[in-house]
Amino acid sequence: KQEVTQIPAALSVPEGENLVLNCSFTDSAIYNLQWFRQDPGKGLTSLLLIQSSQREQTSGRLNASLDKSSGRSTLYIAASQPGDSATYLCAVYNNDMRFGAGTRLTVKP
Amino acid sequence: DAGVIQSPRHEVTEMGQEVTLRCKPISGHNSLFWYRQTMMRGLELLIYFNNNVPIDDSGMPEDRFSAKMPNASFSTLKIQPSEPRDSAVYFCASSLNTGGTEAFFGQGTRLTVV
Repeated sequence: KQEVTQIPAALSVPEGENLVLNCSFTDSAIYNLQWFRQDPGKGLTSLLLIQSSQREQTSGRLNASLDKSSGRSTLYIAASQPGDSATYLCAVYNNDMRFGAGTRLTVKP
Repeated sequence: DAGVIQSPRHEVTEMGQEVTLRCKPISGHNSLFWYRQTMMRGLELLIYFNNNVPIDDSGMPEDRFSAKMPNASFSTLKIQPSEPRDSAVYFCASSLNTGGTEAFFGQGTRLTVV
């Protein structure tokens, strides 16, 4: 069974910093990897989807990379803002979709 | 499209009662997933369907849990009888197929069993 791990579990940074969130998975035979954001008490919002054949995807200040062979993905957030404060989750698709436990990000003004 | 729609948004019920959660996936999506989220265990995959057929229900915690997808536009997750430890947020998600297309989540149903 696919195991997904996210490090760190929590992160607090001052506004304006660039930061990296990490996701690792045990089974490299994936179709894709998807990063989500979840605000407290809310549902999950899709941020980026990386297909297994891709190395990275970018959306605005977000950049996600994928190294399938080593079972790792990173989410890079540039010039962080207080509005980025949320829990970030990565999900890995084999035939089903498995999630990591998330990284709780706090960006302080 | 209005996205994945779940109902009810909140449900409070007494232990022993039957609870039914509902999900309408995005039109045209062939894959549907049910998850449970708790502080202790995070997001757990309960079951997923492809073309209305249950593919893997190994995440369903007990026989008290059952899920159906009678057609492409509707799915239910039923708990009978409910117990306080079933209290959680239940999410439904859909994607075009299980081949790894983007998944979209509903807003969830917050279930409280007292």
